[in-house]
Amino acid sequence: DAKTTQPTSMDCAEGRAANLPCNHSTISGNEYVYWYRQIHSQGPQYIIHGLKNNETNEMASLIITEDRKSSTLILPHATLRDTAVYYCIVRVGNNDMRFGAGTRLTVKP
Amino acid sequence: DAGITQSPRHKVTETGTPVTLRCHQTENHRYMYWYRQDPGHGLRLIHYSYGVKDTDKGEVSDGYSVSRSKTEDFLLTLESATSSQTSVYFCATRNGAGTGSTDTQYFGPGTRLTVL
Repeated sequence: DAKTTQPTSMDCAEGRAANLPCNHSTISGNEYVYWYRQIHSQGPQYIIHGLKNNETNEMASLIITEDRKSSTLILPHATLRDTAVYYCIVRVGNNDMRFGAGTRLTVKP
Repeated sequence: DAGITQSPRHKVTETGTPVTLRCHQTENHRYMYWYRQDPGHGLRLIHYSYGVKDTDKGEVSDGYSVSRSKTEDFLLTLESATSSQTSVYFCATRNGAGTGSTDTQYFGPGTRLTVL
């Protein structure tokens, strides 16, 4: 599976957009990009996933570059409740979600 | 998500004792998974099931066994618990019916296990 690289931590002001980057330069053509988050002590929560087109749902938007070597998760109006660790995962199929260290996002008032 | 419950939520046990953790789901999802989460390692897959009585090993299966006798329940057993199995255990389920958001993994609330 392709390896992902994410910043260790990021801060965001409440009400502003949070843009979380992920590099996956070795991604292959049939690998999806998944984003999950984990709020302290809770189970990981699915956010969004995509293959090559940009995706949007009620939680976030996913922007994947044309060469698919990187992506950005966008939380359009971050709230304090969005403080969590965000995981970017590149995976063929869905049987083994390899979670790395993720990005610790802190939303500040 | 996916009506997943785990029991117990917290357990303290002694080295050498058997321990069984239960994952229960109400969504009739075909696939079920057990992960453990430790500091510095993220989540690692222990075992998974692709149907009743059908299971397979994951990345860190040594010392663990699983059983799935009905769709809604997936049991994880530590035959003889060791201190290295102190961890937070998460169960997950997946519909498996196709692509899109219905085919993602949904996680339970976790079980915190301490082996003394």
